[in-house]
Amino acid sequence: GAVVSQHPSRVICKSGTSVKIECRSLDFQATTMFWYRQFPKQSLMLMATSNEGSKATYEQGVEKDKFLINHASLTLSTLTVTSAHPEDSSFYICSARKPGLAPGELFFGEGSRLTVL
Amino acid sequence: EDKVVQSPLSLVVHEGDTVTLNCSYEVTNFRSLLWYKQEKKAPTFLFMLTSSGIEKKSGRLSSILDKKELFSILNITATQTGDSAVYLCAVVLVWGAQKLVFGQGTRLTINP
Repeated sequence: GAVVSQHPSRVICKSGTSVKIECRSLDFQATTMFWYRQFPKQSLMLMATSNEGSKATYEQGVEKDKFLINHASLTLSTLTVTSAHPEDSSFYICSARKPGLAPGELFFGEGSRLTVL
Repeated sequence: EDKVVQSPLSLVVHEGDTVTLNCSYEVTNFRSLLWYKQEKKAPTFLFMLTSSGIEKKSGRLSSILDKKELFSILNITATQTGDSAVYLCAVVLVWGAQKLVFGQGTRLTINP
């Protein structure tokens, strides 16, 4: 089966620093990856759609200068939380669609738990 | 505003019981409805439903979609402790290139 790998799984940083989270599709090429945020006991909220070779598409209310997304290759998308603050602490999950499968049959990464002190 | 609502938010039952989880939606451009199981980290795909009235089945799990009444149910029979998880319902929108809108999830706990 397809595997999506996310790294790091857990990161703690100081307020004001930037943190980069990587999402890799290990055995398929993904032209599109998605980034979600999940608060405790809440559902996944789509933050942005990452498109290989072009700019990401952000959902309403998500600051693109705060959450920088880069999809430089067909197997890697990165999310950088810039100048992180405690309110950015959350669980961030990426997903990717394997070409040939139906929309929605996404493979999710294991998530990255960010804690900003 | 596109909306997906799940109920109940939380459910505790005994092993062997049968449970029904509900998902209703109100979206502008429906394409399909998905069910995922989230145990600790990444959600895992269970079902995708596109047509009304056609039951999808996988072992003790089954699901059906009603596009007229805009809802879906997920049934789990003969529950086991390993079924304990958060079950997420999501709707795929036509506009937005496979954009998913998730419900809040139902936290299911199966007690031995």
